Amino acid sequence: GENVEQHPSTLSVQEGDSAVIKCTYSDSASNYFPWYKQELGKRPQLIIDIRSNVGEKKDQRIAVTLNKTAKHFSLHITETQPEDSAVYFCAVYYGKLTFGQGTILTVHP
Amino acid sequence: NAGVTQTPKFQVLKTGQSMTLQCAQDMNHEYMSWYRQDPGMGLRLIHYSVGAGITDQGEVPNGYNVSRSTTEDFPLRLLSAAPSQTSVYFCASTQGWQGIGEQYFGPGTRLTVT
Repeated sequence: GENVEQHPSTLSVQEGDSAVIKCTYSDSASNYFPWYKQELGKRPQLIIDIRSNVGEKKDQRIAVTLNKTAKHFSLHITETQPEDSAVYFCAVYYGKLTFGQGTILTVHP
Repeated sequence: NAGVTQTPKFQVLKTGQSMTLQCAQDMNHEYMSWYRQDPGMGLRLIHYSVGAGITDQGEVPNGYNVSRSTTEDFPLRLLSAAPSQTSVYFCASTQGWQGIGEQYFGPGTRLTVT
């Protein structure tokens, strides 16, 4: 089955800094790569996703880049704010979704 | 729309008991799935369904059964609860074809098995 590795497991930044989270996957046939944000005690929510035929996608302060050759994709958050503090999960789809282990992002005011 | 609903919110079971976690969605989504979330392990897929009458196993199916008799409902059954099944369970539904697209998660069920 698909193997998804997510790094780092924890990330601490100052407000206004950028944050980058990276995921690697094993199955080269995977074709859909979403990112979810989960605040404490709440359900995961989609923040951005990318399909395999696209290299980069941006939505305001959030971007995702995909390198299919190297089988990795990354979440980039610019101008971080305290409300960005949450757990972020990457996921990889090939028939079904496989999630990474999560990154706890803390943004200090 | 209520979206994805799950009942109960909290449940405590004794080892060996059985129970059913309910999940329903009112968005007419074909694709539904069940995940469990444990600390440090992300979300792991238990079972999923691409439409009424069709179910398949995910990453961690042992100890769980599902059925999908209608588009709206996707219950998860624990046959004989074990302490290892203590977890938070999320149901999700997806509009996209074959599950590609935004997963709408329910509020979760926190299950403790003693």
